[in-house]
This record gives sequence, C-alpha cells and structure tokens, in this order.
Amino acid sequence: EAGVAQSPRYKIIEKRQSVAFWCNPISGHATLYWYQQILGQGPKLLIQFQNNGVVDDSQLPKDRFSAERLKGVDSTLKIQPAKLEDSAVYLCASSLGRGHNQPQHFGDGTRLSIL
Amino acid sequence: GQNIDQPTEMTATEGAIVQINCTYQTSGFNGLFWYQQHAGEAPTFLSYNVLDGLEEKGRFSSFLSRSKGYSYLLLKELQMKDSASYLCAVRPTDSWGKLQFGAGTQVVVTP
Repeated sequence: EAGVAQSPRYKIIEKRQSVAFWCNPISGHATLYWYQQILGQGPKLLIQFQNNGVVDDSQLPKDRFSAERLKGVDSTLKIQPAKLEDSAVYLCASSLGRGHNQPQHFGDGTRLSIL
Repeated sequence: GQNIDQPTEMTATEGAIVQINCTYQTSGFNGLFWYQQHAGEAPTFLSYNVLDGLEEKGRFSSFLSRSKGYSYLLLKELQMKDSASYLCAVRPTDSWGKLQFGAGTQVVVTP
C-alpha cells in the first residue's frame, strides 16, 4: 500500500513569512496527526483529526499555526507568520483509527528552515 | 506531568546485542510503541506492548513492566543498517490515540 505522502520535502523561508505543508494519508485511515520534530528531540503532537474534525489541538500555537482537513482525506498545515523557533521537521502520520493498538504510519516530513 | 526518558546515545559492534531502556511517567497508560528513525527519514513502527512481558519480532524484542513504568527494546545480531534513532512513545489514557515521544536513542553500530 502507498504510504503517507508529504510535500514539500524541504522549505526555506525568512521569518515573518508564511508557509504551508500538505499531507495525503494512507487510503482509508480516519485519523491524521501533525507532529513537530525539533532537532535532537522526539516528535511533539500539534493537532489530531478524526475524519474532518479536530479532536486534539491543545499544543498547537493557534496565534500562528492553523490546519484543516476539509474532506476527511488530505490535510494542510500553515504557519503565518513564521518565527525562528519554528525551524523543525513537520511530520504527518495516519492510523486506521484511534484504537489503543493502532500504530501510526509516518510520512518523510517537511524540513523547514527559517532564516 | 508527562516524562519519557531514554539514553541519548549508545554504541555497539556489528553482530552484538544492544538494549535500549525507556522509563515513563504519564497520565495513565494505554500502550507503548517503539519506532526506528533513520536520519532524514520517517519514523517506522517496530513494536507495541500493552501487557507486561516480552514481545519478539525477529531480531527485535520489546519488554514492558507497567508497575515499574519501564520498557526496553532489544536489538540482536546488530547490522550496520540498524544505526538509527530509536523512539519510545507512550499512549496516555487521556488521549485520543496521540503518542507522547521520548527524545530518542541514537544507536551507532561500528564494524
């Protein structure tokens, strides 16, 4: 089966600019996650969707980050305006459901550098 | 609070065995996952434990003790391709399936 697809792979922008990332989960996966992974750290959840509804966005900096999953399939994550501290890899993951034994499958991520 | 601890780095020789420990303190427990992440690549799922005991999958085994808040990942017959970061992740009970990750253990396999 095709894995989680993300684009772009790399992005370089200046601070205060805006940027958007795209994710296409594995077909049939109802749950979609966006994680931020700063160099040397583990992934940190930003937002979780169940179909097209948000179920957890407690760690999303809502003053600058937004995400949507309008039709319950693809998702976009946006940062506006970007700060230096946003330099990280943004990982998208999906799972069949949110059952306790369901593993999450990750995409290769988008590496964001803020100048 | 949530806390997941694992060593930063471990070095071992090709063909040897390495054990990566993970201790956790989370708001409830609903399973523990191990992922492997090569530099610049996606984390890939290795194993899942929810009951105490050992789960074996080929060269990789994972152990869990819920009463001690402790898990380990055992890598046997190390190969050069096993050089990667290994992430311990816990699913708390107050979550909607999300994972709390440790910082990862960088394993370096030498010839």
